[in-house]
Amino acid sequence: AQKVTQAQTEISVVEKEDVTLDCVYETRDTTYYLFWYKQPPSGELVFLIRRNSFDEQNEISGRYSWNFQKSTSSFNFTITASQVVDSAVYFCALSERGSGAGSYQLTFGKGTKLSVIP
Amino acid sequence: NAGVTQTPKFQVLKTGQSMTLQCAQDMNHEYMSWYRQDPGMGLRLIHYSVGAGITDQGEVPNGYNVSRSTTEDFPLRLLSAAPSQTSVYFCASSHRDQEDTQYFGPGTRLTVL
Repeated sequence: AQKVTQAQTEISVVEKEDVTLDCVYETRDTTYYLFWYKQPPSGELVFLIRRNSFDEQNEISGRYSWNFQKSTSSFNFTITASQVVDSAVYFCALSERGSGAGSYQLTFGKGTKLSVIP
Repeated sequence: NAGVTQTPKFQVLKTGQSMTLQCAQDMNHEYMSWYRQDPGMGLRLIHYSVGAGITDQGEVPNGYNVSRSTTEDFPLRLLSAAPSQTSVYFCASSHRDQEDTQYFGPGTRLTVL
């Protein structure tokens, strides 16, 4: 069974602070994919990153960075120098292959609501 | 490309009414899925399809029907709406060469009174 845990329900930071959103997952598969999505107040889901289970290299994209550690089954997301526009709900998700083609289905965490205060 | 489109954006139903949520994609994606999002629950899979004529159930399929007559469209039907189906519904699609990566539509906010 898949499980994604985002222990932080809500986080508030003051603008320009760094913030890390935690994600811990459970899977028995050796091949799987991890994702982060952003859901701003407007409601759409914005894809941020995809990482496969064989690539543990950390990734940086502007103010965003991701730390993937298989040893602790974690895929944490850090925003550096946060901005008000970063205020959103952030979802971590896990995808692993099921029994056949098209069986990659996402299991989402419950999300972390980030509020950046000016 | 319009990507994944969903209509309507908002809908209010009375208990017992039926309706169809529309989803279409123009990316020639083979795989399509429906999710519902409830407060504090994240997104949960309702139904999915791996191609025209093929559908299967997800985690929370009860009360919903789907069909896939074309590659582009994947409608979700509520035959007799219940207040428990009040939610935000997202449609998603993915290509068979990168089936793990799903692209989401803008969502439909449904309220059942």
